[in-house]
Amino acid sequence: EDKVVQSPLSLVVHEGDTVTLNCSYEVTNFRSLLWYKQEKKAPTFLFMLTSSGIEKKSGRLSSILDKKELFSILNITATQTGDSAVYLCARTYGGSQGNLIFGKGTKLSVKP
Amino acid sequence: NAGVTQTPKFQVLKTGQSMTLQCAQDMNHEYMSWYRQDPGMGLRLIHYSVGAGITDQGEVPNGYNVSRSTTEDFPLRLLSAAPSQTSVYFCASSATRAGELFFGEGSRLTVL
Repeated sequence: EDKVVQSPLSLVVHEGDTVTLNCSYEVTNFRSLLWYKQEKKAPTFLFMLTSSGIEKKSGRLSSILDKKELFSILNITATQTGDSAVYLCARTYGGSQGNLIFGKGTKLSVKP
Repeated sequence: NAGVTQTPKFQVLKTGQSMTLQCAQDMNHEYMSWYRQDPGMGLRLIHYSVGAGITDQGEVPNGYNVSRSTTEDFPLRLLSAAPSQTSVYFCASSATRAGELFFGEGSRLTVL
């Protein structure tokens, strides 16, 4: 079945902890894998990964894609309460389409 | 700096009523789409458009119609609302067919 699976579904950590969020998928032929952060309203873009093995970084967040093993991870170091959100992983589908298949998300709660 | 604008933000309908969710973007994006987000289901694609005059179905199109007469606007029509259409609806746009989606703030629809 063509799914994007995220784990864990929820996670509670304390400020300063490092977390790793997982995203696995089942097809090999796709253009991009994307990560979004969703707080109360609209998802906001974090990363787009198109090549395997190349890490992308933005401040305390980083992400990498492994196309051979069919997974991606999102790392957040030195977590802050403002990192509390649902993190969504999605991959594009269709050879020339911009549509996304989303995972169900990982709900991260960062406690002071 | 409006981005993607959705209206209304909240709506309550009775079963069988029809309505239109409006979506407008001011970024001159060719690609636009509608997703619904349900608890435990993640975001699922309803319909999408790769340019004015071109629309196609996504994963869950039944009960919805779309049209794309201009680049800016992509309304979603519910023909005869059902309780199963109670959801949060997100409109999104992208400059490319396989890239970063910019989401609107969402429209929460309740069908009684």
